[in-house]
Amino acid sequence: DTGVSQDPRHKITKRGQNVTFRCDPISEHNRLYWYRQTLGQGPEFLTYFQNEAQLEKSRLLSDRFSAERPKGSFSTLEIQRTEQGDSAMYLCASSRNRGVNEKLFFGSGTQLSVL
Amino acid sequence: AQTVTQSQPEMSVQEAETVTLSCTYDTSESDYYLFWYKQPPSRQMILVIRQEAYKQQNATENRFSVNFQKAAKSFSLKISDSQLGDAAMYFCAYRGDQTGANNLFFGTGTRLTVIP
Repeated sequence: DTGVSQDPRHKITKRGQNVTFRCDPISEHNRLYWYRQTLGQGPEFLTYFQNEAQLEKSRLLSDRFSAERPKGSFSTLEIQRTEQGDSAMYLCASSRNRGVNEKLFFGSGTQLSVL
Repeated sequence: AQTVTQSQPEMSVQEAETVTLSCTYDTSESDYYLFWYKQPPSRQMILVIRQEAYKQQNATENRFSVNFQKAAKSFSLKISDSQLGDAAMYFCAYRGDQTGANNLFFGTGTRLTVIP
């Protein structure tokens, strides 16, 4: 169990640029989540994958955001035409199964700063 | 929509003492799960304790225990024998048990300082 890893740890970009983040979940975990956390707030749900299928998207996920999980392994989150309001920490989490025994394992996040 | 409220932005406790962090939530569901997560400066959210709403018995995990009051929609976390390593942000979270309820709703967090 090597944990959930996210890359990069920090990203600074200029407004209008595109950025892509990567999440590598724990290898046998079929469920993967993306959350966004702004300063002084708790994480907010963005989207959820079961294997390669994106099964749920939050209204927070505007059309500038796209997430993929090819082959049900790693996932990417892309933000196009970044805005200053996109500045936040983007957290990825994975789990093996749902229900009473589901336990989410979180990565350390990617901190995005849009100048 | 479900909401989770943490009314204590900051709390402090002397090392070895006990502290209680408060959390209330709003839901119309009867079955759900409640969680406390710890977020240290490393930023990684770590599950501290979990409570199933259908269980009347309060969950405990070593020095951590909860006071779950379903009727009052209250879910407080008690940390006994506080240690320096307990210093972190603590988030209360809710998840429904309905099909399709895949996301956690988090509160705004309580920053806990442990005083040596």
